[in-house]
Amino acid sequence: QVQLQESGPGLVKPSETLSLTCTVSGASISSFYWSWIRQPPGKGLEWIGYMSHSGTTNYNPSLKRRVTISLDTSNNQFSLRLTSVTATDTAVYYCAKEEVNEGEGYFINWGQGTLVTVSS
Amino acid sequence: DIVLTQSPDSLAVSLGERATITCKSSQNILWSVNNKNFLAWYQQKPGQPPKLLISWASTRESGVPDRFSGSGSGTDFTLTISSPQAEDVAVYYCQQYYDSPPTFGQGTKLEIK
Repeated sequence: QVQLQESGPGLVKPSETLSLTCTVSGASISSFYWSWIRQPPGKGLEWIGYMSHSGTTNYNPSLKRRVTISLDTSNNQFSLRLTSVTATDTAVYYCAKEEVNEGEGYFINWGQGTLVTVSS
Repeated sequence: DIVLTQSPDSLAVSLGERATITCKSSQNILWSVNNKNFLAWYQQKPGQPPKLLISWASTRESGVPDRFSGSGSGTDFTLTISSPQAEDVAVYYCQQYYDSPPTFGQGTKLEIK
């Protein structure tokens, strides 16, 4: 049974960098695709990007300039960095295992999510 | 980006009354090579992450009750809950994975009268 758990600061100041980690159990991150998705309070879902087991990345063009996703195979974790944050980046951030087929993918397993608030 | 538009935004049904949610794509998401529609449906209960219900427009995930079914092709898709139960109160989202970036519909809130 695949489980994912997000961790990181719940409060980030404007213009600073948001950093989150997702710890995976029940699957090796050396396989599959690993994604981040966010949801502003009371709103819908936005895909941020993924990193594959082989190191391939794909980011949402709306965030591409500010996003980095990386893998830490030794700890079976993957991470999200989002630079130059503003209040519009306030959201619940989810990590997920993405099933990629030919095109893009759908999201089979999700973490519980972590609320990140951008405020001074 | 492919835009997915769900309707209605909210829906209130009586216990056992069929619930139907539609999802319309701004572009065709049927791949002619394998005749598959690149569409998924999720259920999100309050305070929880989304849960995958259906992939490939109509393939139910293991453990999902058979009262949930997906249909449609090309640009028009439907999620049907044949006899909604109290535990089905949630927001439902469609998602396309035909093209990058993957995108979601705005969500449909299901309530039980």
